[in-house]
Amino acid sequence: SQQGEEDPQALSIQEGENATMNCSYKTSINNLQWYRQNSGRGLVHLILIRSNEREKHSGRLRVTLDTSKKSSSLLITASRAADTASYFCATNQFYFGTGTSLTVIP
Amino acid sequence: KAGVTQTPRYLIKTRGQQVTLSCSPISGHRSVSWYQQTPGQGLQFLFEYFSETQRNKGNFPGRFSGRQFSNSRSEMNVSTLELGDSALYLCASSDPLAGATYQYNEQFFGPGTRLTVL
Repeated sequence: SQQGEEDPQALSIQEGENATMNCSYKTSINNLQWYRQNSGRGLVHLILIRSNEREKHSGRLRVTLDTSKKSSSLLITASRAADTASYFCATNQFYFGTGTSLTVIP
Repeated sequence: KAGVTQTPRYLIKTRGQQVTLSCSPISGHRSVSWYQQTPGQGLQFLFEYFSETQRNKGNFPGRFSGRQFSNSRSEMNVSTLELGDSALYLCASSDPLAGATYQYNEQFFGPGTRLTVL
């Protein structure tokens, strides 16, 4: 399967804390992307990291990629209640994992 | 720019019927992808169209088909509906060209069509 697998499946933290979620995959990749989905805004692209990159930042988001371990992590710093959503990794554009459900408690 | 639009937003059909869903991509985007989202299987890739040609395909039966028009608008058709086809169908558009090279880039998703099969 080309799909990634996120870990943990669910995460609950207090506002202001950091949240880390991981994605593992089995095949070789060209790129890996992270998306967020909530009922209000649908599925939204967060960050794309290509196979020759190791780390990318966007605002409070930090993504790392370790192709030797076939894994990626998404770190959200100083979380807010509005970060409550499901987070998905997608390998090679089309193959989405099952997601991490993040709840940020105000 | 206007976002990705999908019509209809909600649809109720019965088993055995067929359905056509429509997706209008962001202006200038030539790639349209379709996904099926269900609580049990998550987000599953159906197919991608680029410049009116199916470029990539997921692992769905032939009952699921699609096409893309010259203006990049895309339609997805499901024939002989089954109860298990009840799902949220999402389409996404992207601009995959970097110069003359096709490469994967971020996708912009529409709000989806919620299909219920009774």
